[in-house]
Amino acid sequence: QQQVKQSPQSLIVQKGGIPIINCAYENTAFDYFPWYQQFPGKGPALLIAIRPDVSEKKEGRFTISFNKSAKQFSLHIMDSQPGDSATYFCAASNHGNQFYFGTGTSLTVIP
Amino acid sequence: NAGVTQTPKFRILKIGQSMTLQCTQDMNHNYMYWYRQDPGMGLKLIYYSVGAGITDKGEVPNGYNVSRSTTEDFPLRLELAAPSQTSVYFCASSRSEGYGYTFGSGTRLTVV
Repeated sequence: QQQVKQSPQSLIVQKGGIPIINCAYENTAFDYFPWYQQFPGKGPALLIAIRPDVSEKKEGRFTISFNKSAKQFSLHIMDSQPGDSATYFCAASNHGNQFYFGTGTSLTVIP
Repeated sequence: NAGVTQTPKFRILKIGQSMTLQCTQDMNHNYMYWYRQDPGMGLKLIYYSVGAGITDKGEVPNGYNVSRSTTEDFPLRLELAAPSQTSVYFCASSRSEGYGYTFGSGTRLTVV
């Protein structure tokens, strides 16, 4: 049973486009929602995270939108660059002891 | 500052062999984790630890064991390797609950 459902599985955008990756969850006890970026051969790296008391969080070109009533959250990458090409994972946790990860989205940004 | 260090980076095991994947962190984090990553499946939690001497099972603990004798080290033991344990293994740490992880660079394990 997948606790966090992520889509799409892969995404191709032109440089400057705004890729959007979506995640949905069922457990209303989740209280922390991070996104991770993973380059080939490397471990995932924390990109940005949000808690359910806010609806949006921005850090540089990365924005998380959070819809508590719909139990959905999404990652937007503004002005995407070829260097953003990576696999992105959403995750959710309940008090932080166990994180449940989405299945990942492979993003390719074409120059 | 090395962060989370995993060794080895690659390993090929024969069915039935045993091995230990090493993980050490230098950030004085109390929380440490072991995940496995399979294609199209995301990351699945194997075991975690909230401090020295304390460990607990995650989603997929069968076939693995861990120990946490110090804050820095959290080794993962495979006793009787099986082909189903072919995967990429990641160790991670965090300073406390509710904070994001710092991951190691992974160990790619193949069981043949």
